[in-house]
Amino acid sequence: EAQVTQNPRYLITVTGKKLTVTCSQNMNHEYMSWYRQDPGLGLRQIYYSMNVEVTDKGDVPEGYKVSRKEKRNFPLILESPSPNQTSLYFCASRQGQTTSYEQYFGPGTRLTVT
Amino acid sequence: AQSVTQLDSQVPVFEEAPVELRCNYSSSVSVYLFWYVQYPNQGLQLLLKYLSGSTLVKGINGFEAEFNKSQTSFHLRKPSVHISDTAEYFCAVSGRSNNDMRFGAGTRLTVKP
Repeated sequence: EAQVTQNPRYLITVTGKKLTVTCSQNMNHEYMSWYRQDPGLGLRQIYYSMNVEVTDKGDVPEGYKVSRKEKRNFPLILESPSPNQTSLYFCASRQGQTTSYEQYFGPGTRLTVT
Repeated sequence: AQSVTQLDSQVPVFEEAPVELRCNYSSSVSVYLFWYVQYPNQGLQLLLKYLSGSTLVKGINGFEAEFNKSQTSFHLRKPSVHISDTAEYFCAVSGRSNNDMRFGAGTRLTVKP
């Protein structure tokens, strides 16, 4: 089954404790991205990757890091989480760079930082 | 850059009634337009998209949307909703040449029996 998986689905952590949210897709997609969803703001892009070893900032990159060492994986790293990073996070992928291709979303990771 | 405004944050409607979820966009370049649906505790799923051609686009689950270039709108419609349509709906716009996709704030559709 074609899918985007994320782990963990739920995470409660404390300020300053480094964490990683994993994202993996099994569709051989070139493009992957991370979004955060906040009430009243919709989805905002954090980082995206056009291909292996190619990443770039989205609209809200502060406090986040990413890497793309393999085509299928695109982990999101919070080096020193803060309460304002409490949010619902989605990983997404699509076949090509142009947005005319359908974007597939993971099930989401709900992060709470206390 | 592009932007999207979803005009209603919440839309309550009774089962079997028609519904329209409104979306306006702003862009200085030609656009692609999308509607996504998010069911509770799930990721987003593409309902339909407008890339070119006919301005009336049909999607999954009986939804359709009409691209109106003069009014810069892309409203989503369904003639008769079901309880199972209860979800959050997101409109999104992307520049054809810049691959910059922007999402609206979402509209929560609640279908009541």
